[in-house]
Amino acid sequence: GQQLNQSPQSMFIQEGEDVSMNCTSSSIFNTWLWYKQDPGEGPVLLIALYKAGELTSNGRLTAQFGITRKDSFLNISASIPSDVGIYFCAGQRAYGGSQGNLIFGKGTKLSVKP
Amino acid sequence: NAGVTQTPKFRILKIGQSMTLQCAQDMNHNYMYWYRQDPGMGLKLIYYSVGAGITDKGEVPNGYNVSRSTTEDFPLRLELAAPSQTSVYFCASSYFLGTGLYNSPLHFGNGTRLTVT
Repeated sequence: GQQLNQSPQSMFIQEGEDVSMNCTSSSIFNTWLWYKQDPGEGPVLLIALYKAGELTSNGRLTAQFGITRKDSFLNISASIPSDVGIYFCAGQRAYGGSQGNLIFGKGTKLSVKP
Repeated sequence: NAGVTQTPKFRILKIGQSMTLQCAQDMNHNYMYWYRQDPGMGLKLIYYSVGAGITDKGEVPNGYNVSRSTTEDFPLRLELAAPSQTSVYFCASSYFLGTGLYNSPLHFGNGTRLTVT
């Protein structure tokens, strides 16, 4: 099946640092989504990208839909403690096959530097 | 506005027992989904439904059954629980706008943590 490679798997952040993570695929997607999951909760949508090349911001978060439609990145600027959690990328084909089916990356776990 | 509601939050089953995980959404979404999340992994699709009376298999359907008698509810049934079904289960919903148009992003419930021993 389709695979999404998300990296890094985990990272430690210090308050104020910028953070970057990305997802790549061998397949083309028409939509890229970024979700955050806090412990004991379901994933919550952060940013949705619908067009190749699109760059979208949501507060301190910025995400881009790669030109090739096979990748996306998420940046968090000036991180704060509440940014810790697991971030998932997801690619979606809008039509054809199983409608609305998302392919998820394995997640990037953000933790605070000890 | 409750969104997607899942019950129960936690459950422990013995091998061979059966149970139903409940999911309800109040957003009038036509699409509903069941995912499982294993430690260190992303979410894998078990079953999905494009509307009342219509369901289809996802990536990992074995050992599960679903039904969709109403737009709001999408229960997931485990008939003979096995240790491999120990996982966190997430229900989600979305609104599909139509062929050639984009599906709205998924809204997730808070999950059901299931342990089978």
